[in-house]
Parts: sequence; C-alpha cells; structure tokens
Amino acid sequence: NAGVTQTPKFQVLKTGQSMTLQCAQDMNHNSMYWYRQDPGMGLRLIYYSASEGTTDKGEVPNGYNVSRLNKREFSLRLESAAPSQTSVYFCASSEGGSSNQPQHFGDGTRLSIL
Amino acid sequence: DAKTTQPTSMDCAEGRAANLPCNHSTISGNEYVYWYRQIHSQGPQYIIHGLKNNETNEMASLIITEDRKSSTLILPHATLRDTAVYYCIVRVRSGGSNYKLTFGKGTLLTVNP
Repeated sequence: NAGVTQTPKFQVLKTGQSMTLQCAQDMNHNSMYWYRQDPGMGLRLIYYSASEGTTDKGEVPNGYNVSRLNKREFSLRLESAAPSQTSVYFCASSEGGSSNQPQHFGDGTRLSIL
Repeated sequence: DAKTTQPTSMDCAEGRAANLPCNHSTISGNEYVYWYRQIHSQGPQYIIHGLKNNETNEMASLIITEDRKSSTLILPHATLRDTAVYYCIVRVRSGGSNYKLTFGKGTLLTVNP
C-alpha cells in the first residue's frame, strides 16, 4: 500500500524553466492538496482539490498552477521557476467533504531553483 | 481561524512519557484537533485526532480539556525515534464542506538517551 507517491524526489532547475510535480494516491480519496515548506517554517497550502474536477487556491498560489487529472492524480506546475520557489513540496490526500479522517502526506519533492 | 500555541521545544528522557501541550482557546464547537509529526523533513505523519473525548491509538493518547481550549499529546514511552517536530492543528472550514489544516511551527521534541 503506497499511500501518497510524489515524483520526482529531487530536482534542480534554472530560473525561468518550467516543471511539473506529480502526485498520486491509491486510497480512493476525494480531496488532494499541495503544500510547500520553507526552512524553519510550517507547511503552507498552495492549492487544493476538494473533489475530482475542482481546484481552489490556498494560502500561497502565486506562480503555480494545478491539474486534477483524475481521482488519483494531482499535479503542480511551475511555469517559470523563480529562486523564491526553492522549497520542499508535499502532496496530501484525504477523504474530504465532512469526513474528519486525516490528511495523509507523501515524502516530498525537494526543489532547488538557481 | 482557530490558532494554536505550542512550546518551541521540549526534552524528554528515553523511556519516559512525553507530554506535549497545545493551547487552542478560540476553537469552535465542531472543530477537530489533529496532531502530526515530522521527522527530519520527511512528510508529516498523522498521529491522532479528536473532538472532545480523549482518544488513544497505537502511537499516542490525546487528552482534551473539558472546555476544549487546550489539549495534550502523550507518547507513553518515548524512544529516540520519536525525536521530531510535533504539530497541533485545529482543522477549520475553508468553504462549503471543505476543510483545511494550518500548520504552525510546532514543538521540537528531543528524546535524550
């Protein structure tokens, strides 16, 4: 049972390059989330998808786009990477809706932008 | 949003109980308290959650005060592998039937041999 799988685990980009971070879950969850974590900080929500076919902005959406490809997959795209987007990115999923069941997280993608 | 307050850091001796406090004095009646931990920049790991009753699972116990303004996470027999940052989070509604978790800076628990 893999849970939440993120690819790649590490990536180095140059400023201005584009990239898509992939996330897939095998728990049949309705809701999926993208967070970023900067050194010494808690996680901040970038975008979320409450259910297949819907996406909404979180706390720090600028510079990012997302796609809920199907129920399993939720991708995060950086169209023109900037050094300020150097961070660790975490994907999570949950049952969603009124369920109180927790979010489950992937192991993260460590992204450096030079 | 209901905010939480946690100590920045705590120490605990290996084999002893670790008691991690959290204040959430502005919590609303239907908001759950969740605890996660993060070990050395791995993905956050869910530990336990509760609404108003005390909860226990294989990892920890959660004690919520009767007025729900604070809670304590208890690791009954801490091991070195429990060294991590522990986050206390109040889940709030973000619109419609959607909810969100807001992570603070958490408590760095260091378990010492």
